[in-house]
Amino acid sequence: EVQLVESGGGLVQPGGSLRLSCVASGFTFSNNWMSWVRQAPGKGLEWVANIKQDGSEKNFLDSVKGRFTISRDNAKNSLYLQMNSLRVEDTAVYYCARQWSHDAFDIWGQGTMVTVSS
Amino acid sequence: DIQMTQSPSSLSASVGDRVTITCRASQGIDYYLNWYQQKPGKAPNLLIYAASHLQSGVPPRFSGSGSGTDFTLTISSLQPEDFATYYCLQSYSTPLTFGGGTRVEIK
Repeated sequence: EVQLVESGGGLVQPGGSLRLSCVASGFTFSNNWMSWVRQAPGKGLEWVANIKQDGSEKNFLDSVKGRFTISRDNAKNSLYLQMNSLRVEDTAVYYCARQWSHDAFDIWGQGTMVTVSS
Repeated sequence: DIQMTQSPSSLSASVGDRVTITCRASQGIDYYLNWYQQKPGKAPNLLIYAASHLQSGVPPRFSGSGSGTDFTLTISSLQPEDFATYYCLQSYSTPLTFGGGTRVEIK
């Protein structure tokens, strides 16, 4: 079965850090760009970052540049999002997603909740 | 950054109705436009990619059209399972950007 499974979410204080993980199965992980997308409670979808197949290119939403880092380990079929200097406005469900034809996100994980609060 | 303006933000419709949702890009994005359906508490589901290509497994009552800056998602005959929120996404350039969403409710 083709799937993505995220983990690592939780409650963190403002200024704190979290590392999200996403494990892929059922497809050749190293063939695809991968993205992180988030959704604040009751709000719309927001793309956060993506990474090329070999990790040589990375792109970020302006509001997370310098605070978030994206990485991948193709040997472990895993994608990561290191989130530092977290802010209240980073509170959201974070999804990992596979980029496919025309960079559409065709496979999504179930999401992991990140809550930034004192 | 490319802004995606989606309309309407919500609509009420009945089973069997034809529903149209539009997305307008702030600059040309060729056909790099995708449509998603999201139900409460669930991850989004890809319906249409590259403006008009139906994703495998998606019912043919869903269709997409457009290129450049103006795009449309059409549901030809609304079914009970179609009540959800719909989003467009431009994948032409980073930052990738979503429309604000359209909530389709039961009339």
